[in-house]
Amino acid sequence: DAMVIQNPRYQVTQFGKPVTLSCSQTLNHNVMYWYQQKSSQAPKLLFHYYDKDFNNEADTPDNFQSRRPNTSFCFLDIRSPGLGDAAMYLCATSFGGAGGSSYNEQFFGPGTRLTVL
Amino acid sequence: AQSVTQPDIHITVSEGASLELRCNYSYGATPYLFWYVQSPGQGLQLLLKYFSGDTLVQGIKGFEAEFKRSQSSFNLRKPSVHWSDAAEYFCAVGPYNTDKLIFGTGTRLQVFP
Repeated sequence: DAMVIQNPRYQVTQFGKPVTLSCSQTLNHNVMYWYQQKSSQAPKLLFHYYDKDFNNEADTPDNFQSRRPNTSFCFLDIRSPGLGDAAMYLCATSFGGAGGSSYNEQFFGPGTRLTVL
Repeated sequence: AQSVTQPDIHITVSEGASLELRCNYSYGATPYLFWYVQSPGQGLQLLLKYFSGDTLVQGIKGFEAEFKRSQSSFNLRKPSVHWSDAAEYFCAVGPYNTDKLIFGTGTRLQVFP
């Protein structure tokens, strides 16, 4: 089945120790998103790629970076995790067309729960 | 600015009872509207979506939603709730000409046997 895969499902890191979360997809979608979701809150968009074009949200801290080496993979790098970065990180994909694709379903992975000690 | 409001943070219903989850949006034009469901520790799954046309939309798992332009609402309904419906439900707006979604804060549904 076509799907969005996130690894690892659970990640524990130490305060200030860089961490990378990965997302892969078999849907061949050209748009990939990273969301941060804290307990009992809505997912908050950090950034997204439209093809190779990176789109950062204005309020995403510089501590969060992303890479998309090819269509299938996207990485979230947290350079110096703080206690406030403990959250569920969700990757999503969609098929994007010219002029925006907000009408298209976003397909979500199961998430990576990040714990910062 | 576009926004989505889900007035009910937490709803509890008995299994077999009917359900309505409220969603109000603020947007200048007819938006793209979505309902997603999230089971504990999982990602989000699309229940249904509305773009245009018939204002009553059928989704998966027996859910439906009705778009009411005059009330800026897109409420989710189910005639008979099952215990497996216990989850977090998010309403979302897709602003025109973007690739993004704006999520509401969610409604947590608890189902009692």
